[in-house]
Amino acid sequence: GENVEQHPSTLSVQEGDSAVIKCTYSDSASNYFPWYKQELGKRPQLIIDIRSNVGEKKDQRIAVTLNKTAKHFSLHITETQPEDSAVYFCAASKGGSYIPTFGRGTSLIVHP
Amino acid sequence: DGGITQSPKYLFRKEGQNVTLSCEQNLNHDAMYWYRQDPGQGLRLIYYSQIVNDFQKGDIAEGYSVSREKKESFPLTVTSAQKNPTAFYLCASNTPPDTQYFGPGTRLTVL
Repeated sequence: GENVEQHPSTLSVQEGDSAVIKCTYSDSASNYFPWYKQELGKRPQLIIDIRSNVGEKKDQRIAVTLNKTAKHFSLHITETQPEDSAVYFCAASKGGSYIPTFGRGTSLIVHP
Repeated sequence: DGGITQSPKYLFRKEGQNVTLSCEQNLNHDAMYWYRQDPGQGLRLIYYSQIVNDFQKGDIAEGYSVSREKKESFPLTVTSAQKNPTAFYLCASNTPPDTQYFGPGTRLTVL
């Protein structure tokens, strides 16, 4: 089955810096890659996603890049703010059934 | 926050007890899912159902059971066979291949 590795497990940055979280996947048939943000005690919420026919997608301060050849994708957050502090999960899935495999999460801490 | 609700928010279980976690959605989604979340473990799939009256085991189904008698409801029973049930349980739903939406979660603690 699919295996998703996520790094780093913890990321500490100063407000205004950029943050990058990286994920690798094992199944070359995976074609959908969502990113979720989970605040403490809350539900995961989708923040951005990318499909395999696209190499990059942006939404204001966040962007995701996908390298299908290398089987890795990354989340980029620019101009970080304290409210960006949360756990971020990547996921990969394939086909129409859409049952994603999740990474273990990255705890992002943005210091004011 | 979408139309997925979970109850209760907090649940305490004694040793040997079965407990049932509720998940309801009014989004008319075909598929529903149960995940378990432990610190540092990410989200692990317990069971999923893609259609009423049908469900499949996920990666960690042992000690759990589900039913899908109605499209909007997917309850999870944590049985006494689950030896370490203390965790945060999340329900999700979608109509594939669209994105999953998550409920607010139930925190289960074994006393």
